[in-house]
Amino acid sequence: DVKVTQSSRYLVKRTGEKVFLECVQDMDHENMFWYRQDPGLGLRLIYFSYDVKMKEKGDIPEGYSVSREKKERFSLILESASTNQTSMYLCASTKTGQGSNQPQHFGDGTRLSIL
Amino acid sequence: QQQVKQSPQSLIVQKGGISIINCAYENTAFDYFPWYQQFPGKGPALLIAIRPDVSEKKEGRFTISFNKSAKQFSLHIMDSQPGDSATYFCAASVQGGSEKLVFGKGTKLTVNP
Repeated sequence: DVKVTQSSRYLVKRTGEKVFLECVQDMDHENMFWYRQDPGLGLRLIYFSYDVKMKEKGDIPEGYSVSREKKERFSLILESASTNQTSMYLCASTKTGQGSNQPQHFGDGTRLSIL
Repeated sequence: QQQVKQSPQSLIVQKGGISIINCAYENTAFDYFPWYQQFPGKGPALLIAIRPDVSEKKEGRFTISFNKSAKQFSLHIMDSQPGDSATYFCAASVQGGSEKLVFGKGTKLTVNP
């Protein structure tokens, strides 16, 4: 089974801190994604990466950056955390489809609180 | 902006009943429509998916109905069970793209015993 592991289930940080959320997948997937999940707003894409050192902005990239130095690891960075970034963050990965869509495999999320 | 509109936001069904969740889209380039199921404390997981070349796909108690002309698709859960209580997300994407999905806002389903 594909395993997507997020480094922390719960995280509490202070306003203005630089925050790193880490995600690792073990199935050699090319594509990795970061979402945030808020009640009533569903899953919103922050950034995604389709290869090492490649990244593309999603729908809500403001205040975030990402890093993908190795194929299996995709990091989300909050440059200067703010209270409106308190949320559940989900990482996902998927193989490139080669003509057919592949399912996204999700981690169990990191619940981040910014105080 | 690409959007997938999902309704209802929440749904309460009695055990044994039929749960129906609806989604609508605007972008005619979408050609892959998955549904994801999320239990509390877990990430979403693919439940069932359909392409627009068929009008219906069934897997056990779960059925997707697809209406291409109306740009709508729906999830039907037959004989709903308390274990089906979860949040369900519809999504859409373009085949052969970057595997990027556009998600609906989710439906919280509660199945009462």
